[in-house]
Amino acid sequence: DAGVIQSPRHEVTEMGQEVTLRCKPISGHDYLFWYRQTMMRGLELLIYFNNNVPIDDSGMPEDRFSAKMPNASFSTLKIQPSEPRDSAVYFCASSLLAVNTEAFFGQGTRLTVV
Amino acid sequence: GDSVTQMEGPVTLSEEAFLTINCTYTATGYPSLFWYVQYPGEGLQLLLKATKADDKGSNKGFEATYRKETTSFHLEKGSVQVSDSAVYFCALTGNYGQNFVFGPGTRLSVLP
Repeated sequence: DAGVIQSPRHEVTEMGQEVTLRCKPISGHDYLFWYRQTMMRGLELLIYFNNNVPIDDSGMPEDRFSAKMPNASFSTLKIQPSEPRDSAVYFCASSLLAVNTEAFFGQGTRLTVV
Repeated sequence: GDSVTQMEGPVTLSEEAFLTINCTYTATGYPSLFWYVQYPGEGLQLLLKATKADDKGSNKGFEATYRKETTSFHLEKGSVQVSDSAVYFCALTGNYGQNFVFGPGTRLSVLP
């Protein structure tokens, strides 16, 4: 398996524009997580899905953020409208519903909002 | 809720020095414990894990022992290398791989 695949790797956009980040989890994994990493706040869990259903979105900072998982092999994180303070590295991770398993991370998307 | 606390960084060591990064946790039940490493410009990679009390996880010369009595999972390495320079995250999860909780990360710099 190629691991968790995120796209794009880098995104630069202007304030007010819509941004969509994409993630393909490892095939067969039951859980998908979206994290945001900044110098100030470290690694923050935004939302996670189990079998394509959002379980906990309490980490989503505000209504400008939304996430979907239309099927087991694809998820999106959308920011509309984007703001400079959204600049961060966004990670997607997936894991199995299994005892004592770990999460596997993608390479991340570095978002810069100017 | 569940939480993970790590020692504040950054940590700067000379090559071949001994490394300890402290990690303590708060959780209900019997969590699994992990150390992840993040090299510059990359995602997080699993370094080692332990799934029950007194288990020792080890990989690439790093070790950590699951201590339930002290709710700790300290990371150690006997002799660090420049290539170990990275950010290290302690993490936990429930028994079935859901809801991973990460510590704030500790940046390690190893000087030649």
